[in-house]
This record gives sequence, C-alpha cells and structure tokens, in this order.
Amino acid sequence: AQSVSQHNHHVILSEAASLELGCNYSYGGTVNLFWYVQYPGQHLQLLLKYFSGDPLVKGIKGFEAEFIKSKFSFNLRKPSVQWSDTAEYFCAVKEGGSQGNLIFGKGTKLSVKP
Amino acid sequence: GAGVSQSPSNKVTEKGKDVELRCDPISGHTALYWYRQSLGQGLEFLIYFQGNSAPDKSGLPSDRFSAERTGGSVSTLTIQRTQQEDSAVYLCASSSRDRGRIPETQYFGPGTRLLVL
Repeated sequence: AQSVSQHNHHVILSEAASLELGCNYSYGGTVNLFWYVQYPGQHLQLLLKYFSGDPLVKGIKGFEAEFIKSKFSFNLRKPSVQWSDTAEYFCAVKEGGSQGNLIFGKGTKLSVKP
Repeated sequence: GAGVSQSPSNKVTEKGKDVELRCDPISGHTALYWYRQSLGQGLEFLIYFQGNSAPDKSGLPSDRFSAERTGGSVSTLTIQRTQQEDSAVYLCASSSRDRGRIPETQYFGPGTRLLVL
C-alpha cells in the first residue's frame, strides 16, 4: 500500500531562516505529488503540485519542491521564511493519472518566530 | 459556488446519536471525496464519489459510516450510533474529471468539526 512519511513533526525557525521539509513516499508507479498548507483556523489549501515535466516545481508564496524519483522524495523548500508561514504542511501522493484518493503524510507543524 | 462548502461547521452530539454532515462541491466538479482529520492520525481517506456512484469506499472505518451523493452534486456523510472515537474534523474535497489528459487537483472545504460526548 502507498504511504507518505514526513520526517519532522514540528519545526521551529526564526524569520529569514531557510526551510526544508522532508517528504518520502512509497509507490513504485507514476505518482502525482502535492503539498497542502493549513494556516491556523483555515482550511487546507494547495501550495504546489507535481504531475510531470520539470521536477523542480514552484508554488505560491515563494515555496518550491523538488521531485527526486530515485529517492522517492518531494521535499518542500523556501529560502527565507516569514512569520506568516506559520502553519501545518501536508505532503500527499496520488497514483498518477487516476482520480483516486490522496494519501497524506501526518503533517509538519511550522512555527516561525518573529 | 466559489469553493467547497460544508455544514455544519461544528457539531456536538451525544454518544449513540446519529449525525449527518453535508458537502457542497465546486460547481461542475464530478469527483467528491471525504476525509477525516484527527489528532495523531493525520488525514485519512474515507470514500470517493464519481458522479453519484462510489467506486471506492475502502476508507470507511465501520458499517456505522455511510455516504450518498445525489444529482451529482451535494453529498451527505452519515454516522450512526456515534462513538467518542468518531470525534474528528471531517473534510470534503472535489475535483473535475480530466478526460485523461490533465490530472485533477482536489480542493478542500473548511470541514465539519465533530465532537462526540
């Protein structure tokens, strides 16, 4: 069965620090990959997605993620975080080309200190 | 509508009672999904609809859980004889059929926070 692992449960950073959140998945076939963000008191929003093509994907608010097929990874990065990035981040995977459900990681809570 | 809407936003019920949760997907989206978000468990898939049919019910945790979708739009998730472990945030998402070319993205509603006392 597919699974998604997010290595960090809670990350605490100061403003302007660089961010990298790890995500690994287990599935041997073609995958679609997503990062969703949930700001405090708000619902899940799509941050970025990878379907095919350039493995470096740029999303909203300066976030990017790199798909490394050989490592089954899709890590999220941001060069300089802001206090407003405080949120919970979820990595998710779906079988490529299917309309099936998403498999989510358990999430990483990011706290940015001003 | 502009986004996925869910009602009620919060529901408190007593153990043993039945509850109904409603999801109104984005207009024109044919696929609809229910997930559950609980502490320590993350986001778990419950059931998926394509139109009015449910090709995948594999995530429903017990036969107390059921869902239906009528008219290819609104869906209701029903939990019978609620238990305390059913307490969670129930999320609905919708997506459009991609005709095999552009994989769809799921858009999430705000969720219904269910508390079973």
